[in-house]
Amino acid sequence: AQKVTQAQTEISVVEKEDVTLDCVYETRDTTYYLFWYKQPPSGELVFLIRRNSFDEQNEISGRYSWNFQKSTSSFNFTITASQVVDSAVYFCALSAFREGNQFYFGTGTSLTVIP
Amino acid sequence: DAGVTQSPTHLIKTRGQQVTLRCSPKSGHDTVSWYQQALGQGPQFIFQYYEEEERQRGNFPDRFSGHQFPNYSSELNVNALLLGDSALYLCASSFGGEEKLFFGSGTQLSVL
Repeated sequence: AQKVTQAQTEISVVEKEDVTLDCVYETRDTTYYLFWYKQPPSGELVFLIRRNSFDEQNEISGRYSWNFQKSTSSFNFTITASQVVDSAVYFCALSAFREGNQFYFGTGTSLTVIP
Repeated sequence: DAGVTQSPTHLIKTRGQQVTLRCSPKSGHDTVSWYQQALGQGPQFIFQYYEEEERQRGNFPDRFSGHQFPNYSSELNVNALLLGDSALYLCASSFGGEEKLFFGSGTQLSVL
């Protein structure tokens, strides 16, 4: 069975602070993908990053960075110098090859950036 | 290049009624997946359509059914609506079942 846990339900930070969103996953598959999506109030899930299980390199994209650690089954997301526009609900998701790549989402972390 | 479009954006139904939600995938995509997102929860997989056939299904009752048309657009049908079916229904498309999904803005269904 696949499972994604986002223990942080809500986080509030002051603008320009750094914030890390935690994601822990469970899977018995050796081939899988991990994702982060952003959901603004409009409802649409916006793709942020995809990482496959064979690539543990961390990635940085502008103010966003991701830390993938298979040893702890974690895929954490850090926003540096947060901005008000970063306020949204963020979802971590897992897609396992043997299950036809259906997505398993965590319950999301609601981030509020206070100006 | 249009993204994933869903209609209607909002819908109000009463218990026992039937509803049909529609989705047009992103241009060039041939696979459509449907997800249900209850308030405060993450999206849950309902089913996926490819080549006009249901390829995979999540843990949802038979009251939930779907269809994919030759132009790759898709419908989600829910029969005998229950109060618990109230949720945001998200459509996602991809190419060839590729693991990267593009989502629409969803249809907000309220069952009274």
